[in-house]
Amino acid sequence: DGGITQSPKYLFRKEGQNVTLSCEQNLNHDAMYWYRQDPGQGLRLIYYSQIVNDFQKGDIAEGYSVSREKKESFPLTVTSAQKNPTAFYLCASSGRGIYYEQYFGPGTRLTVT
Amino acid sequence: KNQVEQSPQSLIILEGKNCTLQCNYTVSPFSNLRWYKQDTGRGPVSLTIMTFSENTKSNGRYTATLDADTKQSSLHITASQLSDSASYICVVSLSYNTDKLIFGTGTRLQVFP
Repeated sequence: DGGITQSPKYLFRKEGQNVTLSCEQNLNHDAMYWYRQDPGQGLRLIYYSQIVNDFQKGDIAEGYSVSREKKESFPLTVTSAQKNPTAFYLCASSGRGIYYEQYFGPGTRLTVT
Repeated sequence: KNQVEQSPQSLIILEGKNCTLQCNYTVSPFSNLRWYKQDTGRGPVSLTIMTFSENTKSNGRYTATLDADTKQSSLHITASQLSDSASYICVVSLSYNTDKLIFGTGTRLQVFP
């Protein structure tokens, strides 16, 4: 997990409520990413940011929003428009080395009832 | 369509035994291939990264091979330990967009004493 923190570990919300997941990194990485993981499926990219104050939609951005006001932080808001928000959410960051290796945080399990 | 397929879906072995996990991909143009280990409820941790010019790479008891011609990779685990119980995910990076990774669904490995 080294250098990337996500909080909280578990999050419970009622349907219709927005919820924000925290992601912080101290690796001095420019790029940060949000993924969603569902049972039996590969990780899917929600949003990514290559630089402060800029971000791009991934493959499944609908119902999510992000901000990148600081290099270290990339919070994800799961809005009430997301139809199936219950999932395991992973944040990652990447330097600009030859492999552009992504380092993952410990994840947040969100349950919406 | 860019895809990564892994086999088997799950595998049970006895402690001390060796095993090999398979990954086939149809991603093009290819940049590099990664193997991650993910413990239950945790974020993935990188084991190896290989470019198209690398045929094999080792990380302790883990050895990954890559055949870029047949678009196949394998991860060999030697002398398995109980701590090897995890999901192993094959991930391929596109050469024109290193921010977008193509994830396999993983192989769930269980090592029993």
